[in-house]
Amino acid sequence: SAVISQKPSRDICQRGTSLTIQCQVDSQVTMMFWYRQQPGQSLTLIATANQGSEATYESGFVIDKFPISRPNLTFSTLTVSNMSPEDSSIYLCSVGGVPDEKLFFGSGTQLSVL
Amino acid sequence: GESVGLHLPTLSVQEGDNSIINCAYSNSASDYFIWYKQESGKGPQFIIDIRSNMDKRQGQRVTVLLNKTVKHLSLQIAATQPGDSAVYFCADSYNFNKFYFGSGTKLNVKP
Repeated sequence: SAVISQKPSRDICQRGTSLTIQCQVDSQVTMMFWYRQQPGQSLTLIATANQGSEATYESGFVIDKFPISRPNLTFSTLTVSNMSPEDSSIYLCSVGGVPDEKLFFGSGTQLSVL
Repeated sequence: GESVGLHLPTLSVQEGDNSIINCAYSNSASDYFIWYKQESGKGPQFIIDIRSNMDKRQGQRVTVLLNKTVKHLSLQIAATQPGDSAVYFCADSYNFNKFYFGSGTKLNVKP
C-alpha cells in the first residue's frame, strides 16, 4: 500500500483564520480525496482532488471555503478558510488506484477552532 | 457553535466469540465495497474489499458478505480479540469514482 504523510497532525486555530493541510504520497496515485470526520461521526467526502484541474466538490462543500490544490500525482493540499468552531473536525486525505484500486487513508489532521 | 456528536451503535462481544457487523448502502449501482477499521486517533485502516460480482470473500479471520438484492454488507470476524476493538465502517463506490461511508459500528471486545 502507499505511504501517506499528512501534515500537520493536529492544530488549534483561532476563529477567522485559515489552515492548509498537506498530503504527500510516496508513489503516484490516480485518485486523491479529502474527507471530514466530525466528532463521533462517520466520514463525509468533501471533494475529489483532480490533478491539474479544479477539484470536484460534494454537495454542501464549496471551493471558497475548502480550496484544494493537486499540482501532481503525489501531492495535494486542503485549506480550511475563515474557520469557525463548527469546522473543528478530523480532516483525512485518502488515495486510490495503488496499485489495485484500493483506497487508503492518511492518519488525519485533528483541527480545533477556538 | 455547539457541536453535537452522534452515538455510534455498539456491538459488545466476548473475546473468542465471532462478531458480525452490518452495513446498508443506498446506491444500487455501487460495484465495489470496502470495510475499514478505525482505532482512536488514527485514520481508517483497510481490512477487506469485495466487488459486486462476488457475494462472499474471505481474508485472515474476516469474511465479507454482500447481498446486492437488499443492498446489505456484513463483516464477520472470527475468534474476536481485544485488539479488534475499534470502530468499523463500510464504504461503497461506483466505478471507483468516489467512496461514501456508512455510519459505523463500535466493536467492544470484553476479555
